[in-house]
Amino acid sequence: AQSVTQLGSHVSVSEGALVLLRCNYSSSVPPYLFWYVQYPNQGLQLLLKYTTGATLVKGINGFEAEFKKSETSFHLTKPSAHMSDAAEYFCAVSVNNNDMRFGAGTRLTVKP
Amino acid sequence: GAGVSQSPSNKVTEKGKDVELRCDPISGHTALYWYRQSLGQGLEFLIYFQGNSAPDKSGLPSDRFSAERTGGSVSTLTIQRTQQEDSAVYLCASSLAKENTGELFFGEGSRLTVL
Repeated sequence: AQSVTQLGSHVSVSEGALVLLRCNYSSSVPPYLFWYVQYPNQGLQLLLKYTTGATLVKGINGFEAEFKKSETSFHLTKPSAHMSDAAEYFCAVSVNNNDMRFGAGTRLTVKP
Repeated sequence: GAGVSQSPSNKVTEKGKDVELRCDPISGHTALYWYRQSLGQGLEFLIYFQGNSAPDKSGLPSDRFSAERTGGSVSTLTIQRTQQEDSAVYLCASSLAKENTGELFFGEGSRLTVL
């Protein structure tokens, strides 16, 4: 079955600094890839997704991710962190839009 | 309702008791998922239902865990003889698998505490 690995369970950045959250996937067929965000005491919500087409995907709140097949990666980035970005971020993979599997999550802390 | 509804939102039980957690997905969503979110453990896949197909139970951690989905809508996750390590937030999500989006819509979760 498909799977994802998120490198780093905790990432801490200063406000205004680059955010980079890493995700690598494993899939025997072309995958669909997603990033979800969970703000404190809230449910998960979709941040962005890659299905087909352009490999650089833009999401909400200034986040973007690039699908790199050769590296089996789908890292999430944001040029300048805001305090409001503090949350837990989950990378997910599905095949044929079914059976979605999530990574272990990365908790992002933003320091003033 | 407009979103995925889960009940109870909080459940405290004693070790050895059985618990049932309910999920009411978004109307018309054919795919339904159960995940477990434990502190420091991320999001753990438990079971997946898709229409009338046999469910994918590969994530259920033991035979104490079972789930059913009646009439292709409401789902119940049952944990028998609960143990302290079962304490976690149990999340339900649904999706309209016919559309090529893959987005899951999550409920607020059911927080289970086993004393």
